[in-house]
Amino acid sequence: EAQVTQNPRYLITVTGKKLTVTCSQNMNHEYMSWYRQDPGLGLRQIYYSMNVEVTDKGDVPEGYKVSRKEKRNFPLILESPSPNQTSLYFCASSLEGPSGANVLTFGAGSRLTVL
Amino acid sequence: GQQVMQIPQYQHVQEGEDFTTYCNSSTTLSNIQWYKQRPGGHPVFLIQLVKSGEVKKQKRLTFQFGEAKKNSSLHITATQTTDVGTYFCAGPESNTDKLIFGTGTRLQVFP
Repeated sequence: EAQVTQNPRYLITVTGKKLTVTCSQNMNHEYMSWYRQDPGLGLRQIYYSMNVEVTDKGDVPEGYKVSRKEKRNFPLILESPSPNQTSLYFCASSLEGPSGANVLTFGAGSRLTVL
Repeated sequence: GQQVMQIPQYQHVQEGEDFTTYCNSSTTLSNIQWYKQRPGGHPVFLIQLVKSGEVKKQKRLTFQFGEAKKNSSLHITATQTTDVGTYFCAGPESNTDKLIFGTGTRLQVFP
């Protein structure tokens, strides 16, 4: 089944404790992206990647890192989480970038709470 | 930077009533996409519009792309409880590979 898988689905952590949210897709998609969703703010893009070893900042990259060492994986790293990073995170992928046939497939989401 | 706004933010309707959400971009878009997110779920792709003035229909849903390619609308005829959720529009930012989402319209349908 074609899908985007992200883990963990739920996580409660404390300020400053490094964590990684994994994202994997099995559709051979070129484009991958991370979004955070907060009430009243919609979906805001954190980072995106057009291909292996190519990553770029979205609108809210502060406090996050990503890597794209393999085409299928795009982990989101919070080196020193803070309470303002408490949010619902979505990973998504598509065959092409936004200007093309960019049908995004989303993962199920990861709800992160930073105490 | 580019902004994509949606109105209204919330809409409560009685089952059977029509519903419309509007999406406005601060810049011209090469295409616009619509997604639906059910409560507790993840966004799911509905449709993509590319041409100026384009209109597409999916059963009771009608999508329109403005002539200037800066605005779009989603109209649902005779809403049903299964239409409940948040509807997002999204468009690519010019000269980048960012995909900017609108703020979303949350639809509640009362039986």
